[in-house]
Order: sequence, then structure tokens, then C-alpha cells
Amino acid sequence: SAVISQKPSRDICQRGTSLTIQCQVDSQVTMMFWYRQQPGQSLTLIATANQGSEATYESGFVIDKFPISRPNLTFSTLTVSNLSPEDSSIYLCSVWWLATNEKLFFGSGTQLSVL
Amino acid sequence: GDSVTQMEGPVTLSEEAFLTINCTYTATGYPSLFWYVQYPGEGLQLLLKATKADDKGSNKGFEATYRKETTSFHLEKGSVQVSDSAVYFCALGANFGNEKLTFGTGTRLTIIP
Repeated sequence: SAVISQKPSRDICQRGTSLTIQCQVDSQVTMMFWYRQQPGQSLTLIATANQGSEATYESGFVIDKFPISRPNLTFSTLTVSNLSPEDSSIYLCSVWWLATNEKLFFGSGTQLSVL
Repeated sequence: GDSVTQMEGPVTLSEEAFLTINCTYTATGYPSLFWYVQYPGEGLQLLLKATKADDKGSNKGFEATYRKETTSFHLEKGSVQVSDSAVYFCALGANFGNEKLTFGTGTRLTIIP
């Protein structure tokens, strides 16, 4: 299985600032995903981060607000820019791992609170 | 579009009680269905899955049957334990590799000794 380290685990940020979330995987993976879980809501896919190409964003999410980097096959970052209280959510990194029957693995998440 | 409707929580049960968490879905085609569990302080973990109609997924005493006629995938366990306290998410994967999932809102389960 894939072990995913996500940090920070939580942060409190001021309105108008940005937060960068890191996701480190202990194995090389082709596809990495970023999800958002707003309070009382389901997980929503933000984008797919593929190494060597730009991220693919889902409807309602744009690169200017959620820039993503994928410099190699074991690491990705998600930045949440120009923060507002509506961005207060849990952000989760996940990876698509083909080697086992359980194919989608998740990090433990980053709880972001915006004041 | 695809959607998952999940039983609202929180749910509180006594140890050894019977558990049902309802999940229904809307999707075109023939999606795969999943239950994920999130224990306190941990990431989501796959609990069980079913890839076609009438399949039953099972793991750790939990079961769910893919019912196409009722578009449901209810999670059940005959006798819950305190260690089952967690948040449970129903999800569907409608694309070819199931790498993009549509999730329900999650149900927080608390088991009281």
C-alpha cells in the first residue's frame, strides 16, 4: 500500500493570505488527486495532478485559486490562494495506486480555518 | 450528474447493536460502489467495494450489497464494537478506472460501551 504524508495537519490563516499544503508519497504514483471537504459536506474533487503536465481542474475550481505543483512522482502541493472564510475546509490528498486491490489511498487531511 | 445520498448522522449505538447506514446513488451506466471509513486522526481507508449489480462487498464484519433495482448500497454490521466508531463515506466511481470518486456526506458513528 501507499503511505501518504500530508502537512500541515491543520492551520489557521488570515483572510487574504495563502496556504500551501504538501503531499508526500512513499512510492512513485502516476495520479494524485486533491479533494476538499467543507463542513457538513461530502468530499469534492478539486483537481487531478499529473507529473509532467498541468493539473486538470474540476468544474468550479480554477488554477488561480488552487494552483497545484507536481514536480515528481512522489510529491505534490496544493495552494489555496487569497483565502476567505468560505475556504475553511479539510483538504485531502489522494493517490491512485495500481499495485493492490485497494487502489485509492488518502492522506490524513489538512484542516484549514480562515479568520 | 452522478450523486450519492447518504444517511445523515450522527449515529450513536450501544456495543453489539445492529448497524445500518443507508446509501443511495444516481449515476449513468454501471458504476462501482465503495464504502470508506475515516478513524479519528487518520486518512480515509477503503472498507469494502462492489463492482457490479448483486455483488456483496465485505470486510471486518461489515457488508454491503450492490442493488441496482433500488440504486442502493447500504452498509450493515451485525454487532458493532467501540472500535467501529468512525466516519463512514459511501462513494461511487463511474469512470473507467474508478480513480475519480463521488462521495456522500459521511455518517459519524459513535459506539457506546
